[in-house]
Amino acid sequence: GAVVSQHPSWVICKSGTSVKIECRSLDFQATTMFWYRQFPKQSLMLMATSNEGSKATYEQGVEKDKFLINHASLTLSTLTVTSAHPEDSSFYICSAREPRASPLHFGNGTRLTVT
Amino acid sequence: AQSVTQLDSHVSVSEGTPVLLRCNYSSSYSPSLFWYVQHPNKGLQLLLKYTSAATLVKGINGFEAEFKKSETSFHLTKPSAHMSDAAEYFCVVTGGGNKLTFGTGTQLKVEL
Repeated sequence: GAVVSQHPSWVICKSGTSVKIECRSLDFQATTMFWYRQFPKQSLMLMATSNEGSKATYEQGVEKDKFLINHASLTLSTLTVTSAHPEDSSFYICSAREPRASPLHFGNGTRLTVT
Repeated sequence: AQSVTQLDSHVSVSEGTPVLLRCNYSSSYSPSLFWYVQHPNKGLQLLLKYTSAATLVKGINGFEAEFKKSETSFHLTKPSAHMSDAAEYFCVVTGGGNKLTFGTGTQLKVEL
């Protein structure tokens, strides 16, 4: 079945540094990928929709200059958390959908801790 | 517009007994509905999906769900709980396009 790989699975960084998270579709091409954020014991919050070859679409309240999204190929989208602060600590999950298929496939998530 | 309500934030069952996780939805379009499971510090795994075919949907690991339009419900059931079923479960609706709306999740606890 379709697999979405997310890397790294966890990362610890210092306040003020930037962190890049990768999301790859391993056996299908994904023109659209989605980035979610999940706070402890809460549901997933859609941050942005990543579109291959064009700008990402951000949800209301998400700072596009802080959460940079690049979808350079049909199998890779990256999320860069710039100038990270402790409040950015969270669980970030990406997802992608196979062409003409309805369910989303999710990566295993990245636990970001900013110290 | 669409929304989904998971009626129970926590459900606790004994191993071997039935599981019922409740979900109600609203959608302006003919909805597609999904149940996902999330184990700690992991991504979401699709359990099953409803996309306007059979109203009783069978998924993986013995789970199934029934789409009831008159009740706007899509409850998840399993005849006999296993310890490995302990996890967070999300009911998800999409009414069109790419946007999914997630429920707030139900934490399932399975006791010996």
